[in-house]
Amino acid sequence: AQKITQTQPGMFVQEKEAVTLDCTYDTSDPSYGLFWYKQPSSGEMIFLIYQGSYDQQNATEGRYSLNFQKARKSANLVISASQLGDSAMYFCAMREGAGGTYKYIFGTGTRLKVLA
Amino acid sequence: EAGVTQFPSHSVIEKGQTVTLRCDPISGHDNLYWYRRVMGKEIKFLLHFVKESKQDESGMPNNRFLAERTGGTYSTLKVQPAELEDSGVYFCASSPLGDRGFHYGYTFGSGTRLTVV
Repeated sequence: AQKITQTQPGMFVQEKEAVTLDCTYDTSDPSYGLFWYKQPSSGEMIFLIYQGSYDQQNATEGRYSLNFQKARKSANLVISASQLGDSAMYFCAMREGAGGTYKYIFGTGTRLKVLA
Repeated sequence: EAGVTQFPSHSVIEKGQTVTLRCDPISGHDNLYWYRRVMGKEIKFLLHFVKESKQDESGMPNNRFLAERTGGTYSTLKVQPAELEDSGVYFCASSPLGDRGFHYGYTFGSGTRLTVV
């Protein structure tokens, strides 16, 4: 069965430092997508970054990068130069289902706190 | 462009009562999804509309939950009668049809926090 595992319920990082949020996944489907979402205290879920299973290079979006290690089935999110506004809940998700439904499987999330 | 709007933002109801949650997707987004997060657990898929049709409702927990999407625009999720275990945050999301919707992720609303007491 497809599954997303986030083993870090909470993380602290000093402002301006980099932080890595872990995500491992399990799927037998050769085609899948991996996503990271941020949920600030206001509640909305904000899409951060996407990695396709066939993508050769790691995805990057500004200060966000995805460390994709396919053989290890890991898709860790790296946030560089952390800012106070990065304090939020972060969810890793995998897309399952080709041709019709794009439903996600989510992990339990990691709460990140950036310290001044 | 306006985002995905959900209301109410919070709802507290007694066990056995009925509650209706509403979601207004981004205009033009044919895909509409409902998800739920029970306290401390992962966010789980409930169902997926394409326009007014239910594409996938495999995540609906039981027949106390009824989702509709009138005319392919806004959607409602009714819980009747509500039970204690229905408490959680209900998220709605939308995306355009086609590959662009998939690769760029969904746009989520801020969720409705439902508390059943």
